[in-house]
Parts: sequence; C-alpha cells; structure tokens
Amino acid sequence: AQSVSQHNHHVILSEAASLELGCNYSYGGTVNLFWYVQYPGQHLQLLLKYFSGDPLVKGIKGFEAEFIKSKFSFNLRKPSVQWSDTAEYFCAVNPTGRRALTFGSGTRLQVQP
Amino acid sequence: EPEVTQTPSHQVTQMGQEVILRCVPISNHLYFYWYRQILGQKVEFLVSFYNNEISEKSEIFDDQFSVERPDGSNFTLKIRSTKLEDSAMYFCASSDRDYGYTFGSGTRLTVV
Repeated sequence: AQSVSQHNHHVILSEAASLELGCNYSYGGTVNLFWYVQYPGQHLQLLLKYFSGDPLVKGIKGFEAEFIKSKFSFNLRKPSVQWSDTAEYFCAVNPTGRRALTFGSGTRLQVQP
Repeated sequence: EPEVTQTPSHQVTQMGQEVILRCVPISNHLYFYWYRQILGQKVEFLVSFYNNEISEKSEIFDDQFSVERPDGSNFTLKIRSTKLEDSAMYFCASSDRDYGYTFGSGTRLTVV
C-alpha cells in the first residue's frame, strides 16, 4: 500500500521568509500528487495538483511544487510567506486510475508577523 | 464557488446508537467520498461512490458503515452501532472526472 510522509510537523517562520515543506511518497507506479491547505476552522482546499507533464506545478496563492520522480518527492514551496498562510498543509497521493487519496500527517505552518 | 455542504457540523451520540452523516456534493460531480480524521491523526480514506455503487473502500469501512445516495442531491454515511473509536471528524468530498476534489467542512462526531 502506498504511504505519504511529511517530515516537518510544525514549522514557524517570520513573514517574508521562504517556505519549503517536504513530501515523500512510497508507491511503485505512477501517481497523482496533491497539496491541500486547511485554514483554522475551515475545510481542506486544493492548493495545486500534479498529474503529468512539467514537474514544476504552480498553484494558488503563490505556491508551487516540484515533482522529483527519482526521489519520490513533491515538495511545496513559496518564496515569501505571509501571516495569512498560517494553516495546516497536507500532501496527498493517489495511484493513477484510482480515486482514493492517501494523505500525509500534515505540517502545521505558523507565520509570525 | 460551488461548495460541498455537510450537516450537522457536530454530532454527539451514545455508544451503540446509529448515526447518519449528511452531505450535499457539488451538483455536476460524479464521484463522492467519505474520509475521516481522528484527532491528532492522518486524514484517512473510507469509501468512494460512483454510478450509485461503491467503487473503492478501505479496511476501515467494515459492515458497520454504509453509504447511500437516496436522491439526486444527498450523499449519506451511516454508522450502525457507534463505538468510542468512531469519534472523529468526517469529511465528505466530491470530484469530477479530472480528480478535482472538493471537500466539505466536516462533521465532528463524538461518541460517548
């Protein structure tokens, strides 16, 4: 069965700092990859997704992620975070052709003004 | 922007009771899902539903659970005899053919 690892459980940054959140997955076949954000008290929202093509994916709110197949990684980046980016971030994977998402444990990002 | 609506937002039930969690998916979506998140743990897949039948389910989704789309708009999750360990946040989601998942705000189920 596939699994998703997010090694950073809690990240604290100052505004304008750069962000990189790690995501690694284990699965032998082709996968679809997602990053979701959950703001306090709100539902999961899609930030970006990768199915195929250009491994550098741009999402909403200035986020991007890079798929590195050889490393089974899909790290999330943002050049300059804002206080409003304070939230929990989840990486998720599903094997191509299937619908069930496997989530990582999440990374809580706290941005200090 | 279209939303997935879940009701109630919080439900408290006694152990052994049946509960039904309700969801209204996005109207033109074809796939419907239930996920759950036990406090402090990962979001876990329970079941997916397509064309009026279950298309995938996880090991968690045992005989105590069932799903139904009783009419053209609602999608429900029933837990027949709740256990303490069923306490969790339950998320409904729907998607189109392109894996454009939209999640609801969740129902917090507390079993006492």
